[in-house]
Amino acid sequence: EVQLVESGGGLVQPGGSLRLSCAASGFTFSRFWMHWVRQAPGKGLVWVSRINTDGSSTNYADSVKGRITISRDNAKNTLHLQMNSVRAEDTAVYFCARADPGGSAPMDYWGQGALVIVSS
Amino acid sequence: SYVLTQPPSVSVAPGKTARITCGENNLGGKSVHWYQQKPGQAPVLVIYYDSDRPSGIPERFSGSNSGNTATLTISRVEAEDEADYYCQVWDSSSHHPGVFGGGTKLAVL
Repeated sequence: EVQLVESGGGLVQPGGSLRLSCAASGFTFSRFWMHWVRQAPGKGLVWVSRINTDGSSTNYADSVKGRITISRDNAKNTLHLQMNSVRAEDTAVYFCARADPGGSAPMDYWGQGALVIVSS
Repeated sequence: SYVLTQPPSVSVAPGKTARITCGENNLGGKSVHWYQQKPGQAPVLVIYYDSDRPSGIPERFSGSNSGNTATLTISRVEAEDEADYYCQVWDSSSHHPGVFGGGTKLAVL
């Protein structure tokens, strides 16, 4: 059974840092691209970032570029999202999701999400 | 870059057909994916590559994409279909490739 489990969410002060993780199981993690998607309270889904199978290629939404870094550890079947200089507008549930390799594949499995609250 | 436009809400009576649209210029030239999200839950893929249905998704769910509009159609709507639905495309020409529509709240009357 495919499972994606996010962790690392919580309360962080504006300007602070946070690292989210996504533990994958039930599939060959290294064969899939991985994505982060976020959802602010009461709002819609917003794509945040993606990483290819070996981590050599990444993309970011304009709203987070320069502040957020996606990475993966294929040996540990884990995806990460390092969030720096966080802002109030980064408050959201962050979902990790997998997709087949390539630029057009759907996100077919999602984790349950990790809540990040940016507040003083 | 793509901006996908969805109606904020659609209402339908049980047993009837619901159609949720997703619009953008020349959207028919892109592959559209659809996700269902119920309150407090993660999104679930219900239609991919315009009209393919993942295993486990009822045949009542179907999709089409032509011209400027992609459509998610739910036939014989059931109460359990009440959810938010999002269309999504990948814009490979953009450095910000992931695009979601704003979402449509399907209300089953």
